Amino acid sequence: DVKVTQSSRYLVKRTGEKVFLECVQDMDHENMFWYRQDPGLGLRLIYFSYDVKMKEKGDIPEGYSVSREKKERFSLILESASTNQTSMYLCASSPGTGVGKLFFGSGTQLSVL
Amino acid sequence: AQSVTQLGSHVSVSEGALVLLRCNYSSSVPPYLFWYVQYPNQGLQLLLKYTSAATLVKGINGFEAEFKKSETSFHLTKPSAHMSDAAEYFCAVSDPGGSYIPTFGRGTSLIVHP
Repeated sequence: DVKVTQSSRYLVKRTGEKVFLECVQDMDHENMFWYRQDPGLGLRLIYFSYDVKMKEKGDIPEGYSVSREKKERFSLILESASTNQTSMYLCASSPGTGVGKLFFGSGTQLSVL
Repeated sequence: AQSVTQLGSHVSVSEGALVLLRCNYSSSVPPYLFWYVQYPNQGLQLLLKYTSAATLVKGINGFEAEFKKSETSFHLTKPSAHMSDAAEYFCAVSDPGGSYIPTFGRGTSLIVHP
């Protein structure tokens, strides 16, 4: 089975802290994604990457950055966390010809106080 | 641009009753369409997908969806609800000739009463 692992299930941080969310996939997928999920808003794409060291902005990139130094790992970085970044963060991956089928991790619930 | 609209943020059914979750899409090209399910405290998993083959698509756990171009719809159905079907359901659309990245709807929470 494809496994997408997010390093933390729950995370509590203070306003202004630098936050790292880590995601690792074990299926050699080219594409990786970071979404945030908020009640009533569904999933919104923050950033995605289609290759090592490549990144593209999604629909809501402001306040976030990403890093992909290795194919299996995709990190989401909150440079200075704010309370409006309290959310569920979902990582996903897909093969290069995945036609939109994504494999998701279990999510990280981030609370910024 | 592509988008999906899921009608109803919550749908409540009795166990054994028909499940109908509605999804309408907007796309300038023939789309690929997906339904994902999210069980409590889990990530999303694919239920079924339409990729321009048969218009009636069967998925896991007894769910199916029918692509209706004339109605721009891709509604999800299941003849008989089970308690274990209680979850959040997301419809998604992607452009097969474009970036392939799916755009998700806002989700519908399915509540199943005993």
